[in-house]
Amino acid sequence: QSALTQPRSVSGSPGQSVTISCTGTSSDVGGYNYVSWYQQHPGKAPKLMIYDVNERPSGVPDRFSGSKSGNTASLTISGLQADDEADYYCCSYAGTYWVFGGGTKLTVL
Amino acid sequence: QVQLVESGGGVVQPGGSLRLSCAASGFTLSVYGMHWVRQAPGKGLEWVAFIRYDGSTKYYADSVKGRFTISRDNPKNTLYLQMNSLRAEDTAVYYCAKGVTSHFYFQHWGQGTLVTVSS
Repeated sequence: QSALTQPRSVSGSPGQSVTISCTGTSSDVGGYNYVSWYQQHPGKAPKLMIYDVNERPSGVPDRFSGSKSGNTASLTISGLQADDEADYYCCSYAGTYWVFGGGTKLTVL
Repeated sequence: QVQLVESGGGVVQPGGSLRLSCAASGFTLSVYGMHWVRQAPGKGLEWVAFIRYDGSTKYYADSVKGRFTISRDNPKNTLYLQMNSLRAEDTAVYYCAKGVTSHFYFQHWGQGTLVTVSS
């Protein structure tokens, strides 16, 4: 049950795009199309942003998109806005457990 | 709307026990799998446990296996986490989260309850 690997931080200017990677193994990310992404603002509960690799819940802007290739999933945020500044976590189902990434702090410059 | 409200957190000595509760409203608890996820201070999210909608299947993170027990009382719309043999590294905010039928993500989260294990 090793954590997925995410960059500790990424940054971008308003209007730009950023991509956050999430690397696992064939037992988790690579083995299932069940990667989800969560946004967490300081002191708040996480919020679902992407599920099943690339599906967006209702209410989440289409600026947020997900993808996967092999053992690596990615979250892309386009048209960066100030409120996008937060921590982002990927998560993968792995058969009998779920595993999160270590989290990525997104800074909007 | 869906609401999940955790309670039962507090300060406990190493080796002690605590039971967390999660009161669910706005949906039919008996239809959905439920999870506990925790977050140590300043750290990332860690999945802790899952229970199937009918309680027939339970999964645990290796870090809590044999010490924590997840359970549910569907008529009372409540999810539980019994935590025994607590360690300092169990100190965290504990969130309950609602699953989705035939899917494997956390659709809704509670606001969390803080558990501090310290002497």
